[in-house]
Amino acid sequence: GQNIDQPTEMTATEGAIVQINCTYQTSGFNGLFWYQQHAGEAPTFLSYNVLDGLEEKGRFSSFLSRSKGYSYLLLKELQMKDSASYLCAVSDSNYQLIWGAGTKLIIKP
Amino acid sequence: TAGITQAPTSQILAAGRSMTLRCTQDMRHNAMYWYRQDLGLGLRLIHYSNTAGTTGKGEVPDGYSVSRANTDDFPLTLASAVPSQTSVYFCASSDGGQGAESPLHFGNGTRLTVT
Repeated sequence: GQNIDQPTEMTATEGAIVQINCTYQTSGFNGLFWYQQHAGEAPTFLSYNVLDGLEEKGRFSSFLSRSKGYSYLLLKELQMKDSASYLCAVSDSNYQLIWGAGTKLIIKP
Repeated sequence: TAGITQAPTSQILAAGRSMTLRCTQDMRHNAMYWYRQDLGLGLRLIHYSNTAGTTGKGEVPDGYSVSRANTDDFPLTLASAVPSQTSVYFCASSDGGQGAESPLHFGNGTRLTVT
């Protein structure tokens, strides 16, 4: 079966760095997405990786290793507003999106 | 402001009743989707439409139906609601196919409770 694994919850300190991991087993691979979802709100797009390596976008970076079935989202200089759930989603061979359950990130002052 | 509008925001529905969740987008996106989000689970695709006039079944289509009469609207109908359909429902759209290099844009969701 197809599976996306992410930690359920993580805690970090304001101003620090946090890495949220995502591992996947899917039938084929056509890209990996990260979305941010604040409580009670809609998910919003953060990043997309289809080739191995690191994509940097301001304070957020996303890394992909296709051979390891692994990605991470790196958040730097954490702010209180970064408290949210972070969703990992993989596009499989049929371009179907397979979603992880999300990682709830709690930022403490 | 361009985007996706869902209605209602929330609803309490008696089991056995029918209901239509509305979704309208003004971005002229070809593809639209309905997801449900339940605690501890990833988003699950209910139905999708790659273009006006066509629809397809997702991962959890049973008990739901959709139509896509035009580009902008993609309503989701529950014919006879059951308590297991209690969930948060998100409508989304994209300008490409599913999973293509075009992110999903989500509506604000409809929180449905079936009693």
